[in-house]
Amino acid sequence: NAGVTQTPKFRVLKTGQSMTLLCAQDMNHEYMYWYRQDPGMGLRLIHYSVGEGTTAKGEVPDGYNVSRLKKQNFLLGLESAAPSQTSVYFCASRFADTQYFGPGTRLTVL
Amino acid sequence: AQTVTQSQPEMSVQEAETVTLSCTYDTSESDYYLFWYKQPPSRQMILVIRQEAYKQQNATENRFSVNFQKAAKSFSLKISDSQLGDAAMYFCAYTRRTSGSRLTFGEGTQLTVNP
Repeated sequence: NAGVTQTPKFRVLKTGQSMTLLCAQDMNHEYMYWYRQDPGMGLRLIHYSVGEGTTAKGEVPDGYNVSRLKKQNFLLGLESAAPSQTSVYFCASRFADTQYFGPGTRLTVL
Repeated sequence: AQTVTQSQPEMSVQEAETVTLSCTYDTSESDYYLFWYKQPPSRQMILVIRQEAYKQQNATENRFSVNFQKAAKSFSLKISDSQLGDAAMYFCAYTRRTSGSRLTFGEGTQLTVNP
């Protein structure tokens, strides 16, 4: 039981490049979330999903897209990366009102 | 909108002593959950303790306990017998008890444990 895993752990992009972050969970949880964490701040919700095939916007969705084609995977995409998207990205899955987090992805956009 | 406030950006404690981290929140809901998460230098977000708003009894997990004051919208974390491994950033978080509800985080408190 690996819990919540995230791929990759680190990534450096140039402005305008695209990439996809992968989150996977093996706990059969329905709900999954993407957050970003900026220095000196708590986590802020980007997008979330309440089940396979569904997604919804969170607090800071602009510049990101998501997909939940399979229950165990939740993908976060950046179509045209900007320096303002430099952050640490966390994925979480939820069971019984408690969220369990992945290890994070540190993304730098130059 | 719900907000969570942690007024102590940094705290320090001597090893083996007790420290209390403060958290206040604002909500119009009556049914919700509160959490404390720990984030060590590894960045991993680790659940420390969970409190259900409809339960009056304060949650405890080994050396960690909370003081939940619903009327005052206060949710402090007490760490007893502090250990070096407790050094981390601590986040207070809130979620409503509804489908898909997100976590709202405070700004965090950096805890240093001195040997």
